[in-house]
Amino acid sequence: EAQVTQNPRYLITVTGKKLTVTCSQNMNHEYMSWYRQDPGLGLRQIYYSMNVEVTDKGDVPEGYKVSRKEKRNFPLILESPSPNQTSLYFCASSSPGAVNEQYFGPGTRLTVT
Amino acid sequence: SQQGEEDPQALSIQEGENATMNCSYKTSINNLQWYRQNSGRGLVHLILIRSNEREKHSGRLRVTLDTSKKSSSLLITASRAADTASYFCATGETSGSRLTFGEGTQLTVNP
Repeated sequence: EAQVTQNPRYLITVTGKKLTVTCSQNMNHEYMSWYRQDPGLGLRQIYYSMNVEVTDKGDVPEGYKVSRKEKRNFPLILESPSPNQTSLYFCASSSPGAVNEQYFGPGTRLTVT
Repeated sequence: SQQGEEDPQALSIQEGENATMNCSYKTSINNLQWYRQNSGRGLVHLILIRSNEREKHSGRLRVTLDTSKKSSSLLITASRAADTASYFCATGETSGSRLTFGEGTQLTVNP
């Protein structure tokens, strides 16, 4: 089954404790992206990757890092999480090109206290 | 920055009625897509309309695009309680794969 998986699905952590949210897709997609969703703000793109070893900032990259060492994986790293990073995070992937639908993961709800 | 802006922010209708949601955007686009999100879940792609298309249908969904007004509408006909969800428009850039999402319309269909 074609899918995007994220882990963990729920995470409560404390300020400053480094964490990684994993994202994996089994569709051989080149393009992968991370979004955060907050009430009243919709989905905002954090980082995206056009292919292996190619990453670029989205609209709200501050406080986040990503890496793309393998085509299927695109982890999101919070080196020193802060309470304003409490949010619902989504990973998405698609084939390259502007006219392809994006497939979304189920989401990771992160709470930073 | 948010490209698409949906209107209304919330819509409540009775089962069987039609639901219309609108989306406006600011810059030139290659395509416009609509996604659906059930509460707390991932987004699911519904339909894509290219910039050179004016109308597209998929089952009970009808999408229109007016590039001169930089706006799109999503019509769901004969709505069902299961259509209750948030609906987002997303605009595709003229190059690349990046999508920019609006804030969404929360649709509630009452049985």
